Amino acid sequence: ETGVTQSPTHLIKTRGQQVTLRCSSQSGHNTVSWYQQALGQGPQFIFQYYREEENGRGNFPPRFSGLQFPNYSSELNVNALELDDSALYLCASSSPGLAGAEQYFGPGTRLTVT
Amino acid sequence: AQKVTQAQTEISVVEKEDVTLDCVYETRDTTYYLFWYKQPPSGELVFLIRRNSFDEQNEISGRYSWNFQKSTSSFNFTITASQVVDSAVYFCALSGMNTGFQKLVFGTGTRLLVSP
Repeated sequence: ETGVTQSPTHLIKTRGQQVTLRCSSQSGHNTVSWYQQALGQGPQFIFQYYREEENGRGNFPPRFSGLQFPNYSSELNVNALELDDSALYLCASSSPGLAGAEQYFGPGTRLTVT
Repeated sequence: AQKVTQAQTEISVVEKEDVTLDCVYETRDTTYYLFWYKQPPSGELVFLIRRNSFDEQNEISGRYSWNFQKSTSSFNFTITASQVVDSAVYFCALSGMNTGFQKLVFGTGTRLLVSP
């Protein structure tokens, strides 16, 4: 069974640029969630995708957007990067996405905005 | 609103000591789930346990045990005979049923340092 994978591992961008992060869900999982973890903090929920549609969102501005593909992999896009967007971005997959489902996390993408 | 508080920022112990990590939560949901995750230096969150709000039985898994008490809104985690490999940041998380989707609300984490 393949676990959750994310790419790239590290990324350095300049303020104002756009970035796309990718996530492949664990085999058999149809739900993907994205979290932002600032240094020294707990992860913060960005949004969740289920069957290719966003079905839940946290307190993040619209410049954070996503996609889920038919194979359940997902992308997180961030436009107009700000310095505060520097963080570890974690992807988690679960099935079927109900509140009690266990979420399995990938290794994360560390984004640095300069 | 849902909230998870982990008041212990960092705990240092010597190998073989027992250690308890505290977690206090707030929610208005009558049905909810509580989780513990371990985050080693590599960054990946490792799932440890899930409990639902109707099951207050304590659970033991090897050197790990969990004490869930609804009366005090606490879900504490004890490691018995700690080992150096237990060094990591541990997060407690809460997921309610009212949102219609799964959103984990995390605490700020407790960093555990186990020295030889």
